Amino acid sequence: GAGVSQSPSNKVTEKGKDVELRCDPISGHTALYWYRQSLGQGLEFLIYFQGNSAPDKSGLPSDRFSAERTGGSVSTLTIQRTQQEDSAVYLCASSLGLDRGLSDTQYFGPGTRLTVL
Amino acid sequence: AQKVTQAQTEISVVEKEDVTLDCVYETRDTTYYLFWYKQPPSGELVFLIRRNSFDEQNEISGRYSWNFQKSTSSFNFTITASQVVDSAVYFCALSENTGRRALTFGSGTRLQVQP
Repeated sequence: GAGVSQSPSNKVTEKGKDVELRCDPISGHTALYWYRQSLGQGLEFLIYFQGNSAPDKSGLPSDRFSAERTGGSVSTLTIQRTQQEDSAVYLCASSLGLDRGLSDTQYFGPGTRLTVL
Repeated sequence: AQKVTQAQTEISVVEKEDVTLDCVYETRDTTYYLFWYKQPPSGELVFLIRRNSFDEQNEISGRYSWNFQKSTSSFNFTITASQVVDSAVYFCALSENTGRRALTFGSGTRLQVQP
C-alpha cells in the first residue's frame, strides 16, 4: 500500500520568501506529525494533528511556522519569511491514532529538503 | 524531560561482522514505548521495532536482535553478519506518555559496512 508522501522533495528558496510543504498521510491514519531534521538539532518534533481536533503546536520554533490539515487528511506546513536557520529536512509521519494508545507507531515520509539561500 | 542518548556517532565494520548499536534513555514515565528506525541514504525513516516498557524479552528478527534492559535503561540493537545494505543511520526513539505521543529521538548512529 501507499506510504506517507511528501512534496516537493527539494525546495530552494531565498531568505524572506514563504514556502509551503505538503504531506499526504497513509490512508486511514488519523494522527499526523511534522518533525524537522537538521545537523545541529537532530530530529525535533514540530506539530501534531489528531483527527479534526485542534493541533498541538508546542514544538513550533517560532510564529513564522504554521500548519493546517484539511479534511483530516493532507497537511501543509507553511514557513513565512524564511531564514537561513530554517534550512533542514522536514519529515512528516502518520499513525493510526489515539485508539492505539502508546503503541501507536509512526510511519515517516521521505521528507522535504529545504534550503534557504 | 525525556532524553535518548546514542553515544556512538559512527561505526565502521567489515561485512559479516556483528555490530551493536547502543541506546540509553531517560524518562519519568512508568509506561512508555521504545522504537528503532533506520534512515538509509534515501532519507526516509524506516520503522524497525517497537518495544513497550513492560516487556523485557529480547526480540530477534532475522539478522536483527534487540536487548531491552530496564534496569540500565538501555535498548540496544545488534545486527548479526552485517551486510553492505545495512549501511544507514539508525535512530533510537522514546514515545512520550502524553496525548500527542511525539517521539524523542537520539542523535543517531551512522553505520558503515564495508565490503
